[in-house]
Amino acid sequence: AQKVTQAQTEISVVEKEDVTLDCVYETRDTTYYLFWYKQPPSGELVFLIRRNSFDEQNEISGRYSWNFQKSTSSFNFTITASQVVDSAVYFCALSGGYQKVTFGIGTKLQVIP
Amino acid sequence: DAGVIQSPRHEVTEMGQEVTLRCKPISGHNSLFWYRQTMMRGLELLIYFNNNVPIDDSGMPEDRFSAKMPNASFSTLKIQPSEPRDSAVYFCASSLARDRVSPLHFGNGTRLTVT
Repeated sequence: AQKVTQAQTEISVVEKEDVTLDCVYETRDTTYYLFWYKQPPSGELVFLIRRNSFDEQNEISGRYSWNFQKSTSSFNFTITASQVVDSAVYFCALSGGYQKVTFGIGTKLQVIP
Repeated sequence: DAGVIQSPRHEVTEMGQEVTLRCKPISGHNSLFWYRQTMMRGLELLIYFNNNVPIDDSGMPEDRFSAKMPNASFSTLKIQPSEPRDSAVYFCASSLARDRVSPLHFGNGTRLTVT
C-alpha cells in the first residue's frame, strides 16, 4: 500500500519569508516517483515537479527547491522569498512505477502581504 | 495545444437524478484518470484507463458510479442515482504513459452539488 502524509494542513507566512512544505511517503516499491502539484484558488491542478526514486539530487527552479531524502522517506518543498501568488494548496503525490498516483491531503499555504 | 477539457464546469442536481460528467483528454495521451476532491478526503482516484481499457476501478465508491471510455478522445463518469454525499469536485486527468510514470495533466474540474 502507498501512503503520502502531509502533516501541515495550513501554513501562513508573511510575504518574503521562506517556507517549507513537508511530505513523508510510504511504499514497498523499489522504483517509485514523487510529485508536487499546485492548486491555486482558481481550482486547477498544476504539475510542478517529478522525481524518481533513484535520483536523490536536490532540485532548484527559481524560488522553488525540493529536498528528496530516501533515508527519511521525505520529499520536502521549499519556497524562498514567498509571494502572494504562491498562495495555493500544494499536493505531494506518489506513484509506484505504474500510472496510479496517490495524493496527500494537501497543505494550504497563505502568503500574507 | 488544448488541455484536458471537462464539462460541465458546474452541475447542480437533485438527489436521485442521473449525472453525467464528460472529459476530453489531451490528444495523444493514452492514460485517463478520474479523481474526486472533497475537503474531508482530499483527492481520491476513482478509476483509470490505459488505452481506453479500465485498469483499476477499486476507487469507485459503489455501483452507482460507472465510467466509460468509448474511444481515445472521450470519457464519461456517470452517477445514478446521485446522492448529496456525492457532492464534490470531479477532476479528469490524462497522461502519456511510457516507460516511466508521466505527470498528470488535469482538467478544470466539474463542481457537482447534489441537493
